[in-house]
Amino acid sequence: AQSVTQLGSHVSVSEGALVLLRCNYSSSVPPYLFWYVQYPNQGLQLLLKYTTGATLVKGINGFEAEFKKSETSFHLTKPSAHMSDAAEYFCAVNSGGSNYKLTFGKGTLLTVNP
Amino acid sequence: DTAVSQTPKYLVTQMGNDKSIKCEQNLGHDTMYWYKQDSKKFLKIMFSYNNKELIINETVPNRFSPKSPDKAHLNLHINSLELGDSAVYFCASSQQGYAVDEQFFGPGTRLTVL
Repeated sequence: AQSVTQLGSHVSVSEGALVLLRCNYSSSVPPYLFWYVQYPNQGLQLLLKYTTGATLVKGINGFEAEFKKSETSFHLTKPSAHMSDAAEYFCAVNSGGSNYKLTFGKGTLLTVNP
Repeated sequence: DTAVSQTPKYLVTQMGNDKSIKCEQNLGHDTMYWYKQDSKKFLKIMFSYNNKELIINETVPNRFSPKSPDKAHLNLHINSLELGDSAVYFCASSQQGYAVDEQFFGPGTRLTVL
């Protein structure tokens, strides 16, 4: 079975501050891990994904995430928040298997204050 | 050109009615999905089709019936609508449905059952 826990349903930062969104996963096999972003009234868009290899993954819009197997974590960071980063962020895991099902966390709403 | 499109964007209807949501992707992908996002933003997969064949069928009431006339289309028909069906429904597609594949999401259909 696979699952995702996102710590903090709401994170608020000031413009220019570090963004840190936390994600922990559970998987019985090596997982593929994803971060998706959802802007208001829109569908989801992939920010980045970890498959194999380098554990530090760079994505779009200056975001990056680090896969830490020992901590079963895949936290998302951005050095300097921009107003346009305000959105809902979803961590997701897909461990493969017969159904290749993507399981999402409950999401973290990021607000950016001027 | 919209990669994954859904119609309608908004759907307001009475309890007991039957309604359909249409989805089309022009990415040439083999696999399509339906997700339900509830009022707390939680996303859960409902169905997945690969080349017109059903491969994921989560625990969803049998009032929900997906239909895939070809691999570019996946429609969702809902019978005898209930209040609890109110949600945003997202269609998505991926190249081959593998665990590593990025999923591309449509803009969503907000269903309100009165």
